[in-house]
This record gives sequence, C-alpha cells and structure tokens, in this order.
Amino acid sequence: EDQVTQSPEALRLQEGESSSLNCSYTVSGLRGLFWYRQDPGKGPEFLFTLYSAGEEKEKERLKATLTKKESFLHITAPKPEDSATYLCAVQGFISNFGNEKLTFGTGTRLTIIP
Amino acid sequence: EAQVTQNPRYLITVTGKKLTVTCSQNMNHEYMSWYRQDPGLGLRQIYYSMNVEVTDKGDVPEGYKVSRKEKRNFPLILESPSPNQTSLYFCASSFTAGGLYEQYFGPGTRLTVT
Repeated sequence: EDQVTQSPEALRLQEGESSSLNCSYTVSGLRGLFWYRQDPGKGPEFLFTLYSAGEEKEKERLKATLTKKESFLHITAPKPEDSATYLCAVQGFISNFGNEKLTFGTGTRLTIIP
Repeated sequence: EAQVTQNPRYLITVTGKKLTVTCSQNMNHEYMSWYRQDPGLGLRQIYYSMNVEVTDKGDVPEGYKVSRKEKRNFPLILESPSPNQTSLYFCASSFTAGGLYEQYFGPGTRLTVT
C-alpha cells in the first residue's frame, strides 16, 4: 500500500525566512510525485510533478526536489501570499495500474508572518 | 476557462435523505474521480471513472454510488447518508487514463449530515 508522510504538520515563518517541507513516501513503483497547494475552502491546485530521483523543478519562490525516499519543497524568501497548506501525493505504477489515483499526505500548513 | 465545477458547494442534510453532488468538467478529460477530505486523514479516493460507462471503487466506496453517462459529468450519489459521511468532497479530472497527467480539482462540497 502506498504511503505518504509529510512534516512538519504546521510551520510558521517570518516573511523572507527560507525553509523546507518534507514528504516521505513508500510506493510500489513510482510513476510520479505531485505537489499541490490548497488554500482554505478551496480545491488543491497543482504545482509540480517529479518523475525520478534527482529531478528538480522550480516555480517562483518554490523548488521541489526528489530522492528515492522523499521529496522536499524548498521555499525561498517567502511572502504572506505563500501561506497555504501544501500537499504531497504519489502515483504508483504497480499498485494503481489503470487508476490515476493519488495517495495524499495530510499536508503541511504554512503560515508566513509579515 | 478550463475548470471543474461542483454543486452544491455547501449542503446540510439529515440521515437517510438521498442526495446527489454534481461534478462537471469542460476540458474533455477522460479520467474523473471523487475524493473526500477529513482532518488528519488526507484526501481519500471514493470512486473513479476512466471513461464513459467505466467506473470502479476507490479506497472508501461504502455508502456511495456514481455514474458516468456523459464524458463531462460524474455525479456522486449518497442514497442513505449517515453522519460519518460528513466531510469535504472534491471532484477531480485529468486528461486521460494510462498517462501521467496532473489532476484538476473542483472547489469542493462541504457536506454535513445530522
């Protein structure tokens, strides 16, 4: 069974204070690891897909990296508008064959204080 | 504008009263799915559909029904709702089954069963 664990559960940073969110996963054949952003009362919004260990992707102040066991979402010089819950999800090949099911972590609630 | 829409956004109902939550996408996506989100449990898949007239169970299908008669619509039916189905529900879609494409999520339906 695919599993995703995110840490920390919550993180408060001062504006401009860089940090990283962790996503540890176990999956039987990784097809892809996804990062989503979720604002209160809204649906998850897609950020990145990572396919293989060593891959990195960037978008504005966010950079996602991937190893064989975990992914990190690095946030550089964050702004208050980066406040949200960040969700990590994996899509397994063997366990989910024929189903595009995402197995989600419970998320990291990020608060950026002005 | 490409989007997934859900209705209603908020619903309070009583135990045993049948209800339907509608989901529609305008992106010609083949794959559609329903998730529920509960505190501490993350997003869990209820049912999914790989195309018209093709549906299958996800991780938590008990108490739910779905149908896919048209490509754009994927309603979620609760024939006899119970309080343990109180949750935040999301519909999602992606381009095609069998590929690795990001999923687009609807805005969510907050259901309360008393």
